[in-house]
Amino acid sequence: DAGVIQSPRHEVTEMGQEVTLRCKPISGHDYLFWYRQTMMRGLELLIYFNNNVPIDDSGMPEDRFSAKMPNASFSTLKIQPSEPRDSAVYFCASTKGWETQYFGPGTRLLVL
Amino acid sequence: AQTVTQSQPEMSVQEAETVTLSCTYDTSESDYYLFWYKQPPSRQMILVIRQEAYKQQNATENRFSVNFQKAAKSFSLKISDSQLGDAAMYFCAYRSFIQGAQKLVFGQGTRLTINP
Repeated sequence: DAGVIQSPRHEVTEMGQEVTLRCKPISGHDYLFWYRQTMMRGLELLIYFNNNVPIDDSGMPEDRFSAKMPNASFSTLKIQPSEPRDSAVYFCASTKGWETQYFGPGTRLLVL
Repeated sequence: AQTVTQSQPEMSVQEAETVTLSCTYDTSESDYYLFWYKQPPSRQMILVIRQEAYKQQNATENRFSVNFQKAAKSFSLKISDSQLGDAAMYFCAYRSFIQGAQKLVFGQGTRLTINP
C-alpha cells in the first residue's frame, strides 16, 4: 500500500505569497492530522480531521492558516499571506481509529 | 494538558553497543498510548515501537525494547546492538485514550549518534 503522500516536498516562496500544501492519506484511514516542525517549537499539531470533519484546530497559529478536507482522500493546508516565521517542515499523518499514526515525508517550506 | 519530556538532547553510542533513551510524561489519565518515533536525516517520521498503558508487558520490536514504568510515568527506549542506520532523532510521544483526543504530544527529541 502507498503511504501518506504529500506535495510539494519542497517549497520556496516570498513573503506575502499564498502557499498550499497537499496531502493524500492512506486509503481507508478516517483520521488526518497536520503537524508543523520547527527548531524552536518542535513538533506541534495544527489541526486534525475525522471523517473529513475538523475536530481540533486549536493549534492553528492564526487566521492566515486554513485547512480543508473535501473528501476522504485529499486535504490541503493553506497559508495566506505567508511570512518568514512560517518556515518549517509540515507533516501530514493519517490513521484508522485508534491505530498508529503514519506520517508522510513532509513538506519543507521556506518563506523568504 | 499532557506533557512529554526528553531530558537528553544528544546521545552517542559505539556501534554494536546498547543505548537507552529517556522519556517522562505527565498525565492524569489512566489509559493512553506511548510511542517512539525515529526521524532520520530524510525527515521521515518512522514508528519504532508502541506501548498501550493498560498492558503490563513491555513492548519489544527486534532490537528495540521499552521500559515502561507507569507509576513513575517513565517510558525509556533501549536499542541493542546499535547499527549505523539507527542514527537519527528519536521522539517520544503520548496519545490520549479519550475519544476525540487522538493527537500526538511529542517530546523535544534526542539526537542519537552511532560511532563506528
